[in-house]
Amino acid sequence: EVQLVESGGGLAQPGGSLRLSCAASGFTVSTNYMSWVRQAPGKGLEWVSIIYAGGNTYYADSVKGRFTISRDNSKNTVFLQMNSLWDEDTAFYYCVREAYCGGAICYSPHWGQGTLVTVSS
Amino acid sequence: DIVMTQSPDSLAVSLGDRATINCKSSQSVLYSSNNKNYLAWYQQKPGQPPKLLIYWASTRESGVPDRFSGSGSGTDFTLTISSLQAEDVAVYYCQHHYNTPHTFGQGTKLEIK
Repeated sequence: EVQLVESGGGLAQPGGSLRLSCAASGFTVSTNYMSWVRQAPGKGLEWVSIIYAGGNTYYADSVKGRFTISRDNSKNTVFLQMNSLWDEDTAFYYCVREAYCGGAICYSPHWGQGTLVTVSS
Repeated sequence: DIVMTQSPDSLAVSLGDRATINCKSSQSVLYSSNNKNYLAWYQQKPGQPPKLLIYWASTRESGVPDRFSGSGSGTDFTLTISSLQAEDVAVYYCQHHYNTPHTFGQGTKLEIK
């Protein structure tokens, strides 16, 4: 059974940093496509970042240069390093395992429960 | 970036009636190589992560009731709930996977009339 468990959320000051972790089980992160999606309280979903099985990474413009996605294959864990945090980064952050089909990433079948990041002074 | 626009923003439907939610992409999300639309629909209930309902615009995810169906191609898509049940009250999102960023629609809140 696929499971994704996020951790590392909490309170950060504006300009501060946090590192989110997503511990995966039931599959191997190194051969899968893994994303982070966030949702500000009471708002819609926003795609944040993805790491491809081959290691390529992509980011939303809103976080480019501030956030870094990575993985530790030995721990079967994906990370999101968040620096220079702004109030607008306050959100639930979901870890997502993507499905790969027809030669491309095609949909998002597996989601973690999310971890809340609050940026406030 | 591809912009996804859903309509309406909110919808109230009587139990047993049909609910229809639309999603429009700013450019086509149809892959010509396999003739698949890289468009998915998700349901999100309060306090829960999103749940995949439909992918490739019209393929129902395993375990999803058959009252949920998806249609459309290119830039215009529809999610239909044929006979609304109380447990269908939720916010529904469309998302494309044609390229990065995999943007979402703004969401449609579905309520009981």
